[in-house]
Amino acid sequence: VQLQESGPGLVKPSETLSLTCTVFGGSVSGGSHYWSWIRQSPGKGLEWIGYIHHTGSTNYNPSLKSRVTISVETSKNQFSLKLTSVTAADTAVYYCARDQGGSPFFDSWGQGTLVTVSS
Amino acid sequence: EIVLTQSPGTLSLSPGERATLSCKASQTISSSYLAWYQQKSGQAPRLLIYGASSRATGIPDRFSVSGSGTDFSLTISRLEPEDFAVYYCQHYGSSLFTFGPGTKVDIK
Repeated sequence: VQLQESGPGLVKPSETLSLTCTVFGGSVSGGSHYWSWIRQSPGKGLEWIGYIHHTGSTNYNPSLKSRVTISVETSKNQFSLKLTSVTAADTAVYYCARDQGGSPFFDSWGQGTLVTVSS
Repeated sequence: EIVLTQSPGTLSLSPGERATLSCKASQTISSSYLAWYQQKSGQAPRLLIYGASSRATGIPDRFSVSGSGTDFSLTISRLEPEDFAVYYCQHYGSSLFTFGPGTKVDIK
């Protein structure tokens, strides 16, 4: 399976960051996999943002929960991230990733996309 | 929330040498919920070892893990040129995934 992130590379402060992950060679609807967003910034290292299951079940990092929404669109084999009220601290490389299915470790990752928050 | 601490921050070694990387948890955790990743510059992390000692697909047996309780280690028995990278430990617990800050293994 391959994952590919897409979305704007520049977002203004206070606006909403929106990214989409397209899954190739597999199905977001298949099996017991959970589909996550993870970000990496120099200041905070790797930070798990949240995950979604194809049934729509979600779980978010408490530190971001008030600003995060993850959704899935099975017809397009995609899942998406929305992060509201962004600040410079949200500048990071954003990865989408898949867990192993029944095991909470990430065995497939997208290549990552840099999102910069700046006016 | 479990906090993972990794040491050293940087490990400078030569090819062929043995590398031992530490991951320390703020509370006792199960090795069944601990994993290690390798990340090279400009790439996404790659799963190396998960659970008690399972290697991910294609990972050579020079990579091994040990430890229990709060102290865990990743050992690379003989460093190959492609092993110079940053290594992260990751834990899952209480519906939360956390990562350590990483150890960089660079060429001496």
